[in-house]
Amino acid sequence: DSGVTQTPKHLITATGQRVTLRCSPRSGDLSVYWYQQSLDQGLQFLIQYYNGEERAKGNILERFSAQQFPDLHSELNLSSLELGDSALYFCASSTLPRINEQFFGPGTRLTVL
Amino acid sequence: GDSVTQMEGPVTLSEEACLTINCTYTATGYPSLFWYVQYPGEGLQLLLKATKADDKGSNKGFEATYRKETTSFHLEKGSVQVSDSAVYFCALSSNTGNQFYFGTGTSLTVIP
Repeated sequence: DSGVTQTPKHLITATGQRVTLRCSPRSGDLSVYWYQQSLDQGLQFLIQYYNGEERAKGNILERFSAQQFPDLHSELNLSSLELGDSALYFCASSTLPRINEQFFGPGTRLTVL
Repeated sequence: GDSVTQMEGPVTLSEEACLTINCTYTATGYPSLFWYVQYPGEGLQLLLKATKADDKGSNKGFEATYRKETTSFHLEKGSVQVSDSAVYFCALSSNTGNQFYFGTGTSLTVIP
């Protein structure tokens, strides 16, 4: 158990809908990262937050947004969902703002029908 | 830009066989290098890391050496077990620390 929690574990929704994925980092970790894992594109870094502020951005679509709250949990919002957004979404956390060793959550499996 | 290229899978080995999964990288400056492992139905776990040239990371019988001259970080294990069956990801943390890149993953299956 990494100490990173993600909810929900599974999510099934329809095209055009909006969903919110939630992540709680390990106790004491200030950085949260979001990744998308799909069969065709592998594991892709989406975005990083550190202590409530956006720190780094990867291949995140404009339809996706994220935030980190004062209690350090983070939410990833996915809107206008498309079939191709079906994937595993992982959250990871670390102690430092520099991306270094990360601890991954168990993931949320999103299925868009 | 920075990137990681790792050996295509899947790889199937018999128990006690030797394992090598190749990983090469492209980066400016001095990145940190990692191997992560993903067991079925789970998230990624850090297996080992190296933060400077010639460092050797090791854990659970796995080893990888940061070779700047060949820009490589190959994962090795002398004798694999069935419990090593998983997907292995090579990863790089950029010199600026602002980006993290994963390889495509190599699936390993070890048969008794």
